Amino acid sequence: GAVVSQHPSRVICKSGTSVKIECRSLDFQATTMFWYRQFPKQSLMLMATSNEGSKATYEQGVEKDKFLINHASLTLSTLTVTSAHPEDSSFYICSAREGEISEAFFGQGTRLTVV
Amino acid sequence: DAKTTQPPSMDCAEGRAANLPCNHSTISGNEYVYWYRQIHSQGPQYIIHGLKNNETNEMASLIITEDRKSSTLILPHATLRDTAVYYCIVRGKAAGNKLTFGGGTRVLVKP
Repeated sequence: GAVVSQHPSRVICKSGTSVKIECRSLDFQATTMFWYRQFPKQSLMLMATSNEGSKATYEQGVEKDKFLINHASLTLSTLTVTSAHPEDSSFYICSAREGEISEAFFGQGTRLTVV
Repeated sequence: DAKTTQPPSMDCAEGRAANLPCNHSTISGNEYVYWYRQIHSQGPQYIIHGLKNNETNEMASLIITEDRKSSTLILPHATLRDTAVYYCIVRGKAAGNKLTFGGGTRVLVKP
């Protein structure tokens, strides 16, 4: 299957700082990218959907000013967690797909720990 | 998107076939059934998807009932590395083709 690369795989940051997570589609052009969050022993929760060149669409309850998403090119999307707090500590996972009906492929995830 | 119901957990023996059921009784005509799995601390891995015909690939087979209200993922010869959480997801255009994850089935392959 297609490869989606996410970086970094894990990051520790201080409370109040911002953290950027990158998601790249390596061998296809991702018209749509998705960002998920997963807390321990829970399922993946969709945070937002982004289409290249457009503003992201956030799921209900997700603060768009706190979780900034940029999808400036067909191979790169970034998620910036601004003013991170310990409760933002989680596993963040991106997903990308090429077309509307094609399957989505996932990155390996980023474990964020805010101390 | 239609909701899915899966058993929370199941065990299977190494080398035997693993049959993972999924109910999606409210599926509509243009919605696909997708299966992903997530090994601990990794991103989900795509396994297979189908609309109404049975599908097979190098990883698994997907059997969809004629009324499309349920499906079964078959891992023909389970190995210890198949231990993971398996998610059955119904996806369609109506909800922007988003993949919404439920609880999944935690599969433990035992030697």
